[in-house]
Amino acid sequence: AIQMTQSPSSLSASVGDRVTITCRARQGIGNWLAWYQQKPGKAPKLLIYAASTLQSGVPSRFSGSGSGTDFTLIISSLQPEDFATYYCLQDYNYPYTFGQGTKLEIK
Amino acid sequence: QVQLVESGGGLVKPGGSLRLSCAASGFTLSDYYMSWIRQAPGKGLEWVSYISSRGDTIYYADSVKGRFTVSRDNAKNSLYLQMDSLRAEDTAVYYCARLIGWGTCWGQGTLVTVSS
Repeated sequence: AIQMTQSPSSLSASVGDRVTITCRARQGIGNWLAWYQQKPGKAPKLLIYAASTLQSGVPSRFSGSGSGTDFTLIISSLQPEDFATYYCLQDYNYPYTFGQGTKLEIK
Repeated sequence: QVQLVESGGGLVKPGGSLRLSCAASGFTLSDYYMSWIRQAPGKGLEWVSYISSRGDTIYYADSVKGRFTVSRDNAKNSLYLQMDSLRAEDTAVYYCARLIGWGTCWGQGTLVTVSS
């Protein structure tokens, strides 16, 4: 299985801050990476797929980049509704694997 | 609209069995491969199983291989997860999902609790 290492595991930030979350794959996965946002008690919501393609309806303050082994999710200006947990997912091959998550909290 | 609705969760004793169902609406299930994903209380997401559109290719996570069986009935637009020999560590919310980039869709999840 391809191990996905996500960092940081938690992050405190303020409204308006720029936030960066990274995900590293143990082996190359091309651009087969998705980013999800999850709020308590809810199913994950897809933000970005194919490493950098913004899902329809997702605000443009979210962006993704990277290929191969190193990937980044950037939130350019945090909004109150962005405080949640974020996961990366490699969908290059089975078994699919998620990063361990990044909990984004209000400072 | 596109919707997935899981059912069948509940409390079961260790060693017991449970069958989860996932009803699809708003799209033709037979056109898509599907997955099950779970999340233990307070923990991260874990992919569990994949089934191809016709059901002829199946994958499992090592943690459930030999105990869980995924299946589908395209005529009923439904997906299933048969869970046998359940363990305490299988306690989780189980989601069915269509993981296809722009067309990704998740159900709301169903809680499975394995406890004596």
